[in-house]
Amino acid sequence: GDSVTQMEGPVTLSEEAFLTINCTYTATGYPSLFWYVQYPGEGLQLLLKATKADDKGSNKGFEATYRKETTSFHLEKGSVQVSDSAVYFCAPSKTGGFKTIFGAGTRLFVKA
Amino acid sequence: GAGVSQSPRYKVAKRGQDVALRCDPISGHVSLFWYQQALGQGPEFLTYFQNEAQLDKSGLPSDRFFAERPEGSVSTLKIQRTQQEDSAVYLCASSPHLENSPLHFGNGTRLTVT
Repeated sequence: GDSVTQMEGPVTLSEEAFLTINCTYTATGYPSLFWYVQYPGEGLQLLLKATKADDKGSNKGFEATYRKETTSFHLEKGSVQVSDSAVYFCAPSKTGGFKTIFGAGTRLFVKA
Repeated sequence: GAGVSQSPRYKVAKRGQDVALRCDPISGHVSLFWYQQALGQGPEFLTYFQNEAQLDKSGLPSDRFFAERPEGSVSTLKIQRTQQEDSAVYLCASSPHLENSPLHFGNGTRLTVT
């Protein structure tokens, strides 16, 4: 069945450090790929998405590129801030958002 | 506009009690999903509605779990004879069911079974 594997956390970085959170997936068909973020005390919200091969999703300085050949969607940010401290979830989805599956989440702590 | 609303925010139930969790999706969203999120884990799919039709309930862990969306809007997740392993956060999400639409999540209901 479909599955997603993402980097285990927690990840602890100093402010302005470079961030990579790895995500690989197995899926039938041609999924859309999403990253969701959960800030402390808040609900899950969309961070970025990519819908076809080689697409790059970006938002709030975060980027991820849809790599069909390696079935990966790694999340990157060049310079993290304390406010980026949150849990990040990689989530492939069938067309139309049907039955999105989620990784286990990667908790990020950013120190000032 | 208003987001996805879930109630109650917290629920404590004694083992064996029945509980009902409510989800009010974004107006006009065709698709509605329920997920279960255990502590430190990602959300696990439970069930999916398209309007009032329950198209996938493959994630419901046992026949004690039942979900409905009778008028294609508000949905209720019911858990009968709760067990301690049912303790989790139950998330509801809605989507307009357009190509590549993301999910819009509520803040969840934290269920604790004692």
